[in-house]
Amino acid sequence: GAVVSQHPSRVICKSGTSVKIECRSLDFQATTMFWYRQFPKQSLMLMATSNEGSKATYEQGVEKDKFLINHASLTLSTLTVTSAHPEDSSFYICSARGPGQGNSGNTIYFGEGSWLTVV
Amino acid sequence: KQEVTQIPAALSVPEGENLVLNCSFTDSAIYNLQWFRQDPGKGLTSLLLIQSSQREQTSGRLNASLDKSSGRSTLYIAASQPGDSATYLCAVMDSSYKLIFGSGTRLLVRP
Repeated sequence: GAVVSQHPSRVICKSGTSVKIECRSLDFQATTMFWYRQFPKQSLMLMATSNEGSKATYEQGVEKDKFLINHASLTLSTLTVTSAHPEDSSFYICSARGPGQGNSGNTIYFGEGSWLTVV
Repeated sequence: KQEVTQIPAALSVPEGENLVLNCSFTDSAIYNLQWFRQDPGKGLTSLLLIQSSQREQTSGRLNASLDKSSGRSTLYIAASQPGDSATYLCAVMDSSYKLIFGSGTRLLVRP
């Protein structure tokens, strides 16, 4: 089945630095990927929709200049947290829309998630 | 705006019990509904996906139902085991292929 790989699984960075998280669809082309954020003991909140070859669409309240999303190819989307602060510490998880049309096209495959700790 | 609610927020049961987790959503215009399991500090494991045209899906001891017109879904877990302890998330897909998640039900199955 379709596999989505996310890297790194855990990252610690210093406050003020930037960190990049990658999301790859390993065996299919994903024209649309999604980035979610999850605070401890809370549910997943959609941050943005990443479309290959175009600008990401951000959800209300998400700072596009802080959370840079690039979807340069059909198999890779990246999330860069710029000038990270401790309050950005969270679990970030990506997902990719499955290939094909119909029911196949509305199946979502999730990466394993990335824990970001900003110290 | 679609809102997804899960009840109860937490549940503790003795091993062997059958249990039902509830999920409700406000907009019936969905593509599908999916139940996930999340273990502490881990990612998501997809359990069951119900397309909008379907009414239920079964996998092993799990059965999920969908009543789109009333905006409700249930996840039934038969003969619960301690290994079932986790957070269960319900999510609906809208017309933009976005998943809107509920807040989850934290399940503890006591040995």
